Amino acid sequence: GEDVEQSLFLSVREGDSSVINCTYTDSSSTYLYWYKQEPGAGLQLLTYIFSNMDMKQDQRLTVLLNKKDKHLSLRIADTQTGDSAIYFCAESESGGGADGLTFGKGTHLIIQP
Amino acid sequence: SQTIHQWPATLVQPVGSPLSLECTVEGTSNPNLYWYRQAAGRGLQLLFYSVGIGQISSEVPQNLSASRPQDRQFILSSKKLLLSDSGFYLCAWSGTLGQPQHFGDGTRLSIL
Repeated sequence: GEDVEQSLFLSVREGDSSVINCTYTDSSSTYLYWYKQEPGAGLQLLTYIFSNMDMKQDQRLTVLLNKKDKHLSLRIADTQTGDSAIYFCAESESGGGADGLTFGKGTHLIIQP
Repeated sequence: SQTIHQWPATLVQPVGSPLSLECTVEGTSNPNLYWYRQAAGRGLQLLFYSVGIGQISSEVPQNLSASRPQDRQFILSSKKLLLSDSGFYLCAWSGTLGQPQHFGDGTRLSIL
C-alpha cells in the first residue's frame, strides 16, 4: 500500500530556513500536499503541487518535487516563532477525490531563539 | 467562501456510552466528506468518506459508523464507545476531483 515517510522532528534557529522532507512510495501519486497543524487545532492546507510540476513558490514557502526519487520538500524561508507546528506531507492519486489522503506522521518544527 | 464546522470541540465520555459528532460544510454543494482520526503519535487515519447523501465508504472496520443525512452534513457515531476510540477526530471536505481537502478544527474525544 501507499506509504509516506517524514522525520519526526526538525529544530532550526529563528530567521534561518527550514527544510522539511518527505518521501512517498506510490508512483501513481497525482497530488502532493503540505498541511500545518498548530497545537490543539485542525489541519491547515499550506500548499500543494501536481505531480507534473517540480517546483512551486508561495511567499516564504517553496515546494520541491523530485518525482523520480519520490521526494517532496517544503522550505520555509526566514522561519519565525509562529511557524512552530507539526507539518504533514500527504499524497493522493485523484486529488480531492473520494479516496482520501495518505498522510505522513508529521514533522514537529521547533524554533530556537 | 466555504467553511467547515465541527462540534463539539472536546468531549469526555464513559466507556460504553454512545457517540455523535457532527460536521457541516457551508458555501459549497455536493462536497466529498471525510472523517479522520488522529491518535497519539500524530498520524492521521481515514475512517470514512462520502461522495453523496446516504453514500458512505468505510476504510477501517471498527466500532464507529458514519452517516450523511443531508448534502453538507456528516455525522460520526458509535453505539458503545471503547477506550481505544479516544483520539482527535477531524472532518474534512473537498470539491469534485482535483481539489485539496480542507479540515475542520477537530473534536478531542477522551474515553474514561
